[in-house]
Amino acid sequence: RKEVEQDPGPFNVPEGATVAFNCTYSNSASQSFFWYRQDCRKEPKLLMSVYSSGNEDGRFTAQLNRASQYISLLIRDSKLSDSATYLCVVSSSGGSYIPTFGRGTSLIVHP
Amino acid sequence: DAGVTQSPTHLIKTRGQQVTLRCSPKSGHDTVSWYQQALGQGPQFIFQYYEEEERQRGNFPDRFSGHQFPNYSSELNVNALLLGDSALYLCASSPRGGNPYEQYFGPGTRLTVT
Repeated sequence: RKEVEQDPGPFNVPEGATVAFNCTYSNSASQSFFWYRQDCRKEPKLLMSVYSSGNEDGRFTAQLNRASQYISLLIRDSKLSDSATYLCVVSSSGGSYIPTFGRGTSLIVHP
Repeated sequence: DAGVTQSPTHLIKTRGQQVTLRCSPKSGHDTVSWYQQALGQGPQFIFQYYEEEERQRGNFPDRFSGHQFPNYSSELNVNALLLGDSALYLCASSPRGGNPYEQYFGPGTRLTVT
């Protein structure tokens, strides 16, 4: 099993839709979790951290489920500009905080 | 406020050659990490520098080495280039006193090895 897994998609949704992505991780001792957004041929940009209690930033909600070892990203009222690849990042622990990226989930929002 | 900058933007090298990539972190950032991103994959962590020392290292061979300077800028060196080293190389910096994995990426250097 890969350390961090994401469904590559693409997820094709109409404008205004709600869409959710999951990211599963294998190391139960993982400590830090983030979502990044990457536009085509651009660098990843930090979207939001993921806190244990869940957190929201405008239309975006991130959640952590430690029992099932996954994080999720929910996007409400999708915009055309949300089209991008969404990468999750999990940092391992045990004295070696190596960040591991998933391969990303592609989202296409269409009119 | 300038973001993370990297140079060069593109580079073409031949197998067996050596390459040096450069990165300047955002103002107020003191930790620099380097990543390799192949097409269609997520970035893979190469190593992280803090206080001019390599703090963490991913699963990359010794051909990959780095350096951090007193002004926090950093270099990534790759020796004995292989075709498989062709990728986008990303540098990311993290704010002083913050979570080292809350990172801000530069635009990357696209390396092609022929």
